[in-house]
Amino acid sequence: ELKVEQNPLFLSMQEGKNYTIYCNYSTTSDRLYWYRQDPGKSLESLFVLLSNGAVKQEGRLMASLDTKARLSTLHITAAVHDLSATYFCAVEYGNKLVFGAGTILRVKS
Amino acid sequence: NAGVTQTPKFQVLKTGQSMTLQCAQDMNHNSMYWYRQDPGMGLRLIYYSASEGTTDKGEVPNGYNVSRLNKREFSLRLESAAPSQTSVYFCATNYPDRELFFGEGSRLTVL
Repeated sequence: ELKVEQNPLFLSMQEGKNYTIYCNYSTTSDRLYWYRQDPGKSLESLFVLLSNGAVKQEGRLMASLDTKARLSTLHITAAVHDLSATYFCAVEYGNKLVFGAGTILRVKS
Repeated sequence: NAGVTQTPKFQVLKTGQSMTLQCAQDMNHNSMYWYRQDPGMGLRLIYYSASEGTTDKGEVPNGYNVSRLNKREFSLRLESAAPSQTSVYFCATNYPDRELFFGEGSRLTVL
């Protein structure tokens, strides 16, 4: 059974600084997804990582995938308030997605 | 283009009552899913349907039933609601090997 672990589960960030969220998973998979969720809202797809070494960037967010280490990272550059949300990684397993518990990000001025 | 539509958005039930959550998509996707979201636990898969006419159990299927009515619609039924089923329920769809597209969620409280 696939297990997906995110850490940290809560991250208080200062504006302008850099941070990284980690997503580890327990079973081989070549596909990993990152989602963002604002409070009381649905989930929005951020990145789709489909192979080992995949790197995707959008604005201040950059995601990467190392399938050999079973690890994905979501790097935040120069945090701004608009990035405050909950971020989920999800790993594909048997045509289904298994989600991590989520990382709550809060950006302080 | 509505994407994925869930009804109702909010519902309060008493223990033992039954209800059905409806999901409809206009994205022409074959695969549809029901997840529940609880604080600190991410999203957990209840049931999914890879195509019209097929359904399979996910991680937490107990207490739920589903119907894939046609390609567009996938409903989730609680036959006898329990307080442990208080949650936010999300319907999602996708093409194979692609990201999920989610509905807005249905917030269910069981008293």
